[in-house]
Amino acid sequence: KNQVEQSPQSLIILEGKNCTLQCNYTVSPFSNLRWYKQDTGRGPVSLTIMTFSENTKSNGRYTATLDADTKQSSLHITASQLSDSASYICVVSEYDNLFFGTGTRLTVIP
Amino acid sequence: NAGVTQTPKFQVLKTGQSMTLQCAQDMNHEYMSWYRQDPGMGLRLIHYSVGAGITDQGEVPNGYNVSRSTTEDFPLRLLSAAPSQTSVYFCASSLMWPGQTYEQYFGPGTRLTVT
Repeated sequence: KNQVEQSPQSLIILEGKNCTLQCNYTVSPFSNLRWYKQDTGRGPVSLTIMTFSENTKSNGRYTATLDADTKQSSLHITASQLSDSASYICVVSEYDNLFFGTGTRLTVIP
Repeated sequence: NAGVTQTPKFQVLKTGQSMTLQCAQDMNHEYMSWYRQDPGMGLRLIHYSVGAGITDQGEVPNGYNVSRSTTEDFPLRLLSAAPSQTSVYFCASSLMWPGQTYEQYFGPGTRLTVT
């Protein structure tokens, strides 16, 4: 069964600290993996898209990694800011379908 | 570009009422889709369209209708609202099928409550 699991469910960190969010998937065949940021009351916004051949991709302070062999991805946030408080959603695509994780709720406190 | 716009932002319906959620995009995208987002669940696909005049069902299509008469607009109709349709609805668009590496853009969402 194709599944996307994210951990932790929620996370609280101090402003300025780093954090890493995890995404494990069982989707096959694999096409690409995306990370989205969803602010409260808004739609998801894409952070990164990675294909099978890419194992790391950065977007400012956000760095996503992909290990297609172990079917794991992580999103690392460097020097967190209050504006990073949001839900982060991992989405894995096989060629015909998108599979959405339930997200990690990140809260950055001053 | 306004991107993907949705109206209304909030809506309260009584059981049995019908309504249409509006979605429009100004990026000339062929692919458009509707999702619902419920607490503790990932986004679930309701209906999608690969171009004007072409629509198809997603994972949870029951109780919803769509049409695509133009490239820009993709309305979602609730035929007879039920409390189980209480959710946040997102419209999304991409140049082509997002299962490839095309960027998918989401609208701001419509929060629907059915009493």
